[in-house]
This record gives sequence, C-alpha cells and structure tokens, in this order.
Amino acid sequence: NAGVTQTPKFQVLKTGQSMTLQCAQDMNHEYMSWYRQDPGMGLRLIHYSVGAGITDQGEVPNGYNVSRSTTEDFPLRLLSAAPSQTSVYFCASSDRDRTYNEQFFGPGTRLTVL
Amino acid sequence: TQLLEQSPQFLSIQEGENLTVYCNSSSVFSSLQWYRQEPGEGPVLLVTVVTGGEVKKLKRLTFQFGDARKDSSLHITAAQPGDTGLYLCAGAPILQNYGQNFVFGPGTRLSVLP
Repeated sequence: NAGVTQTPKFQVLKTGQSMTLQCAQDMNHEYMSWYRQDPGMGLRLIHYSVGAGITDQGEVPNGYNVSRSTTEDFPLRLLSAAPSQTSVYFCASSDRDRTYNEQFFGPGTRLTVL
Repeated sequence: TQLLEQSPQFLSIQEGENLTVYCNSSSVFSSLQWYRQEPGEGPVLLVTVVTGGEVKKLKRLTFQFGDARKDSSLHITAAQPGDTGLYLCAGAPILQNYGQNFVFGPGTRLSVLP
C-alpha cells in the first residue's frame, strides 16, 4: 500500500493563479481531510469529506474548493492564489469505523505564493 | 486564540535526559491524540487516550490524559537523537460545532543532541 500520496511536493505560484493539489489514498478510507500548517499555528482544517459526494468546510475554508467524486481522491483547488495561502498543505485519511479515528497523513505540499 | 496550547514551544536537551511536554485547554475532549512529525513528512500517530486519568506507555514514552480530560502530558525517559521532531497533540472537542474533527495544538519542537 502506498498510503496517502500528494502531488506536487513543491509549488510556486504567482498571485491570482489557480492550481489543484492532488491527494489519493489506497486504504479505502471514507474520511479524508485537508489541513494547512503554518509556523506556530499547528494544523488547521480546511475542508473534509465523510465519503464520496459529501464535503464540508473546516476552520479555514475561504479561498479553497474541494470535491470528492471517488473514495480514493480528494483534490484541493486554490481558485485565485494569495500570499496568505503560502503554507504546507497536508492531506489525511481515516477509517471512521475504527475506534478513535487514527489519521494517516500524506508527505505534504509546500506552496509559495509570490 | 487556540483551543489547544502546548508547552514548551521549543526544547533542546542532551541525549539521556528526561523531559515532559504539555498540552492544555479550557475545553473538554472526548479523546486526545499525540503525533510526531519529522522534517519534510506528515505527522504520524503515537497514541490515543480516551479516559480521564488514563496512562499509556510506548517504550520510553509515557502519555497521560488529565482527570478532567482537558489536558495531557508526554514524558520521554532517556531521550535519544531519534526522538527529535515536532510533537503535536490533537483533541476531539465535545463541543457540537466541531463534529467529529480533531483540533491540533501548535506543537513542541524537540531537539535531542548526541
């Protein structure tokens, strides 16, 4: 099993550009989520999904869109990149049927917006 | 204001020393998790605690959940350079508006020098 994979590993954008961060998992997990990690802030939840076709907002959803057409994939779209979106982005998945919901994280995407 | 606070923010110690890091909140959690994150990687789950007063041991690591389920501590005995990393706590608040999502603290960055 590859676990949770994310692409790209690094990305540099100019203000106003759009892009999609890819996330895939091969563990048949129903729950997937996107976080951003900033220095001194910990991980903050952007969007999450409890299954294919179902998504919901987290703590910091503005400027981001998600969709969940399959169980495996959960892409994150930046509509019009801003310097405030410079961060490290992590995708995670978990099996909601398991007790206490251990989350498995991908390796992250480091995004810089100029 | 963060729901979870962690202290200290940074800690640098010599190999063989003992240390304790803390995770505190004014909110009650149904469960609390500890993760370790190494540079360039995603967090990896170390333990989940769910019962007030619960103590769990993982080799040289001892985790405790506070009696009121508002705080937790991680104690490392005879620290080794391999323990170096960012230690994150994550709690599942009982508050309704958080659903079943976890909130993360800002982390304690530990450096163990040989």
